[in-house]
Amino acid sequence: AQSVTQLGSHVSVSEGALVLLRCNYSSSVPPYLFWYVQYPNQGLQLLLKYTSAATLVKGINGFEAEFKKSETSFHLTKPSAHMSDAAEYFCAVSDGGYQKVTFGTGTKLQVIP
Amino acid sequence: EAQVTQNPRYLITVTGKKLTVTCSQNMNHEYMSWYRQDPGLGLRQIYYSMNVEVTDKGDVPEGYKVSRKEKRNFPLILESPSPNQTSLYFCASKGTSRGETQYFGPGTRLLVL
Repeated sequence: AQSVTQLGSHVSVSEGALVLLRCNYSSSVPPYLFWYVQYPNQGLQLLLKYTSAATLVKGINGFEAEFKKSETSFHLTKPSAHMSDAAEYFCAVSDGGYQKVTFGTGTKLQVIP
Repeated sequence: EAQVTQNPRYLITVTGKKLTVTCSQNMNHEYMSWYRQDPGLGLRQIYYSMNVEVTDKGDVPEGYKVSRKEKRNFPLILESPSPNQTSLYFCASKGTSRGETQYFGPGTRLLVL
């Protein structure tokens, strides 16, 4: 069975500071990993995804994530937070075979001016 | 424009009154899915469909029904809604190649009194 754990349901950073959102996964087969963002009153939008190519994945809005198999992690980072980054972020895992995607519980990012 | 549409966006109903939330996608995707989002629980899959006339239970299927008679449509049916089904519902679709991105609808906020 696959699962995702997101550490920290709420994260606060100052504008201009590093953003680090943590995601650890469990999968019995090589996983596909995703980060989605949800702005208030909107649906989910893909930020980036890992599909077994490069381990460092770059996404939209300056976000990137690094796949670390040894740590079963796929943390999301951004060097400098903007006010517009305030949103809820979801990590998700798929084993690709049965098409099922399992989501984490989400992390709300607050950016302080 | 490629999109997933859901209707209605907001719905208030009473316990026991049957309702249907419609979902439609224009990307010719085989895979469609329904999720519910609750605070602190992230997104949990209700039902999914691999293609026309092929549906299966997700993690929280109790109290819900679905049908897939056409490729583009995947309605969610609550035969006898109860207050614990008050939630934010998302429909999503994707292709069936490995690692495909899921595209989400804008969400339907349901309140059952």
